[in-house]
Amino acid sequence: AQTVTQSQPEMSVQEAETVTLSCTYDTSESDYYLFWYKQPPSRQMILVIRQEAYKQQNATENRFSVNFQKAAKSFSLKISDSQLGDAAMYFCAYRSPYSGGGADGLTFGKGTHLIIQP
Amino acid sequence: DSGVTQTPKHLITATGQRVTLRCSPRSGDLSVYWYQQSLDQGLQFLIQYYNGEERAKGNILERFSAQQFPDLHSELNLSSLELGDSALYFCASNLAGHSYEQYFGPGTRLTVT
Repeated sequence: AQTVTQSQPEMSVQEAETVTLSCTYDTSESDYYLFWYKQPPSRQMILVIRQEAYKQQNATENRFSVNFQKAAKSFSLKISDSQLGDAAMYFCAYRSPYSGGGADGLTFGKGTHLIIQP
Repeated sequence: DSGVTQTPKHLITATGQRVTLRCSPRSGDLSVYWYQQSLDQGLQFLIQYYNGEERAKGNILERFSAQQFPDLHSELNLSSLELGDSALYFCASNLAGHSYEQYFGPGTRLTVT
């Protein structure tokens, strides 16, 4: 079974600065999908960014980018120019490329609580 | 707004009772997933339905069951409720089992007293 580890329960960053959230995962599969989801105080789960393991290029969505290191099984999220609205829980998630047997379900890390200091 | 709707938003019930949570996927999505978020277990995948058929099971208790109807909405049935079942229950959807991201509804907060 795959596992996802987020080793930083909480991170704090000054507004307008850059912060990196860490995520490592354990899998024996060679192809898979990785995601970062944001959960603000409203509790809504919002997709931030996704990465396909077969793609070497790191995904980028506006101020959000990832550093995907496949050999190290690392998938960190960088938030540039942090804004007050970025304050939330951030979850790293893994999905198997296979179908059935629970493989389509996402495996989540425990989350990192991001605090933005004004 | 993800386009996934869930009702009710909040539910308070007593131990031993049975409740039904409802989910309507995004227009055109065939797959529905159910997740449980609790302080103890974090976010856990429970079960997936695809076009009316059960597709995959995760950490779903035997006291829990789900179904997906011909109009593609889904219901999660929780019975013989225990205090530990208190959690936020999310529904997510996507177009097909092989698609990438899943889009989450706003969740149903279940409190068992």
